[in-house]
Amino acid sequence: DQQVKQNSPSLSVQEGRISILNCDYTNSMFDYFLWYKKYPAEGPTFLISISSIKDKNEDGRFTVFLNKSAKHLSLHIVPSQPGDSAVYFCAASAGGGGSNYKLTFGKGTLLTVNP
Amino acid sequence: DAGVTQSPTHLIKTRGQQVTLRCSPKSGHDTVSWYQQALGQGPQFIFQYYEEEERQRGNFPDRFSGHQFPNYSSELNVNALLLGDSALYLCASSLDRGLSQHFGDGTRLSIL
Repeated sequence: DQQVKQNSPSLSVQEGRISILNCDYTNSMFDYFLWYKKYPAEGPTFLISISSIKDKNEDGRFTVFLNKSAKHLSLHIVPSQPGDSAVYFCAASAGGGGSNYKLTFGKGTLLTVNP
Repeated sequence: DAGVTQSPTHLIKTRGQQVTLRCSPKSGHDTVSWYQQALGQGPQFIFQYYEEEERQRGNFPDRFSGHQFPNYSSELNVNALLLGDSALYLCASSLDRGLSQHFGDGTRLSIL
């Protein structure tokens, strides 16, 4: 039973355009959401997070939007760069909003940014 | 500032054997979590250690066990290895009540 779903296995965009990665969740207890980026042969790297008390969080080129009623979040990357090409994982946690609780991950979306 | 380090990077074992994987957390972190990432899947939570105790456990059998040492480093032990245990094993560290987990590059375990 997948509690965090990333329904697009892959996404291809042109350099300079916007990349939008989507994530859906089913567990109403999730109150903290994170995005990680993973290059081959490396561990996941934390990108950006959002608490359930917010609906938007921005950090440079990366913005995460949270729609609690739809149990949906998205990561926007503007402008996209070739170095952004990686697998992006959506993750969620419950019970306190901190990383002292387990993270539940989606299966990931492979983003390819073409020059 | 050293990040999360894991050893070994690759390991090949046969069915029925036992394996121990090691993790040193990022400097200043006191909480260690272990994840299993099968091919084409996202990481799955195995367990988390804090103050040398297992604090939370995911849906993994008792063949998976762990330990945390006073210096916060940790080991993951898997007994009676099965072919299905072939995966990338990731260690993540954080500060208790911290906001994000920092991952190591993982140990690639192959079972023949």
